[in-house]
Amino acid sequence: KNQVEQSPQSLIILEGKNCTLQCNYTVSPFSNLRWYKQDTGRGPVSLTIMTFSENTKSNRRYTATLDADTKQSSLHITASQLSDSASYICVVSNTDKLIFGTGTRLQVFP
Amino acid sequence: EAQVTQNPRYLITVTGKKLTVTCSQNMNHEYMSWYRQDPGLGLRQIYYSMNVEVTDKGDVPEGYKVSRKEKRNFPLILESPSPNQTSLYFCASSLSGGGGQPQHFGDGTRLSIL
Repeated sequence: KNQVEQSPQSLIILEGKNCTLQCNYTVSPFSNLRWYKQDTGRGPVSLTIMTFSENTKSNRRYTATLDADTKQSSLHITASQLSDSASYICVVSNTDKLIFGTGTRLQVFP
Repeated sequence: EAQVTQNPRYLITVTGKKLTVTCSQNMNHEYMSWYRQDPGLGLRQIYYSMNVEVTDKGDVPEGYKVSRKEKRNFPLILESPSPNQTSLYFCASSLSGGGGQPQHFGDGTRLSIL
């Protein structure tokens, strides 16, 4: 069964600290993996996309990794800011369907 | 500004009273989709459309209808709403389906069915 699991469900960190969010998937065939950020009261916004051949990709303070062998991805946030408080959703696509994770709720406190 | 616009943003209504949630995009996208988001379940796809006049069921289509008469519009219709359809709904569009292009989401419609 195609599934995407994210951990932790929720996370609280202090401003300025780093954190890593995890995404494990059992999707076949694999096409790509995308991380979305969803602010409270808004729709999700794409942060980055990982294809099969990519191991690491950075977008400002966000760094996504992909291990296609173990079917795991992570999203690392460096020097967190209050504006990073949001839900982060991992979405894996096979050739014709998107499979959504349930998200990680991140709260950054001053 | 490139955007996906949903209306209304909030709606409280009663069981059985037909309602329509509109969705419009100004990016000339081929692909449009509707999702519902419930606590602990994440985003689940209701219906999607690969192009004008082409629609297909997603994972949770029961109780919903859609139409795609024009490229920019993709309304979601609840013919006889029930309380289990109380949820947060998102419309999204992308250049094409399959996940290769990022989806652009509207800001959501919170529906409460009493």
